[in-house]
Amino acid sequence: DTGVSQDPRHKITKRGQNVTFRCDPISEHNRLYWYRQTLGQGPEFLTYFQNEAQLEKSRLLSDRFSAERPKGSFSTLEIQRTEQGDSAMYLCASSLTYRLAGGTGELFFGEGSRLTVL
Amino acid sequence: DQQVKQNSPSLSVQEGRISILNCDYTNSMFDYFLWYKKYPAEGPTFLISISSIKDKNEDGRFTVFLNKSAKHLSLHIVPSQPGDSAVYFCAASRLQGAQKLVFGQGTRLTINP
Repeated sequence: DTGVSQDPRHKITKRGQNVTFRCDPISEHNRLYWYRQTLGQGPEFLTYFQNEAQLEKSRLLSDRFSAERPKGSFSTLEIQRTEQGDSAMYLCASSLTYRLAGGTGELFFGEGSRLTVL
Repeated sequence: DQQVKQNSPSLSVQEGRISILNCDYTNSMFDYFLWYKKYPAEGPTFLISISSIKDKNEDGRFTVFLNKSAKHLSLHIVPSQPGDSAVYFCAASRLQGAQKLVFGQGTRLTINP
């Protein structure tokens, strides 16, 4: 399978615990994005990387959230001291920059990691 | 500040008829628009896109129309099939820079046999 893969698919944790999600993008894609989706809403941008550099973070990304892409390949999203409001689907997407993609701008999403904080 | 809006939370269409999903945006800097389809417990799947230099793009049963002056786009599915039942998200971006997508709230499409 050469698509975007995310792990775990579902995580149930108690409030106050730390959780980490992993994303493996499409191998030749140089950009990687994290989004969050809550019930009844569209996905909301959290952060993105170009290669290993984190270039933008949303205001939604509080200090308890940290993302890394150490070698420009896979990425991790860690949430420290989870709160019930962190319960959501965390989506990872990857893409090429539009010039490399021939002038298009599609992001390719993984199946998501659903977090439930009790 | 909702920059991309889908005002219809749901739509029900008879199999074989045309489905029309609508989307409005406010940011005139957006120059690329996309539609994604999402099934429960899965990530969004890219469906079709359109650049701001075009007003129509067609791919099989799916056609996207863009009206820049009205800041409005629509997705037409014809003929509609039961497998089209899903949540459809409209998204917009700027190709220069982050290319991050701004999504609407989604429209749940149900195709009735």
